[in-house]
Amino acid sequence: DVKVTQSSRYLVKRTGEKVFLECVQDMDHENMFWYRQDPGLGLRLIYFSYDVKMKEKGDIPEGYSVSREKKERFSLILESASTNQTSMYLCASSLAGRRENSPLHFGNGTRLTVT
Amino acid sequence: SQQGEEDPQALSIQEGENATMNCSYKTSINNLQWYRQNSGRGLVHLILIRSNEREKHSGRLRVTLDTSKKSSSLLITASRAADTASYFCATGGNQFYFGTGTSLTVIP
Repeated sequence: DVKVTQSSRYLVKRTGEKVFLECVQDMDHENMFWYRQDPGLGLRLIYFSYDVKMKEKGDIPEGYSVSREKKERFSLILESASTNQTSMYLCASSLAGRRENSPLHFGNGTRLTVT
Repeated sequence: SQQGEEDPQALSIQEGENATMNCSYKTSINNLQWYRQNSGRGLVHLILIRSNEREKHSGRLRVTLDTSKKSSSLLITASRAADTASYFCATGGNQFYFGTGTSLTVIP
């Protein structure tokens, strides 16, 4: 089974801090994704990556950046955390390249609170 | 640009009953997927139906797809308390767009 591991389940940070959320997958998946999930808004795509060192913006990239230096690791960075970034962050990965659709495999999420 | 919209937002049924959830989407798709999320956890993939399929089964799950109406339904038969979760449909190609989900409660 694919395992997607997010480094923290719960995280509390202060406004203005730089925050790193780490995600590692163990199945050599090409694609990796970061979503945030908020009540009433569902899952919204922040950034995704098709390959090492590649990144593309999703629907809500403002205030975030990402890093993919190794295939198995996809990091989400909050440059200067703000209270409106309090949310559940979900990392996911999937097999195959751009033109194929394969299921997403999710981590268990990181619940980030910014105070 | 959220694509899928699930209906109803919440559903409460007795154990043993069937649960039906609907999903509507906006643009053409290659496939549609259903996911389940237990409280406080990540999503788990349940089933994928391709755009040229009309119905698909997996265990107690039955998914239908009507591309002319841009809609899909997920039926869970003989529900169990353990089916209590949120259910999401997802569409898209390289990116996946999720709806806000249906919260299903199965009462023992």
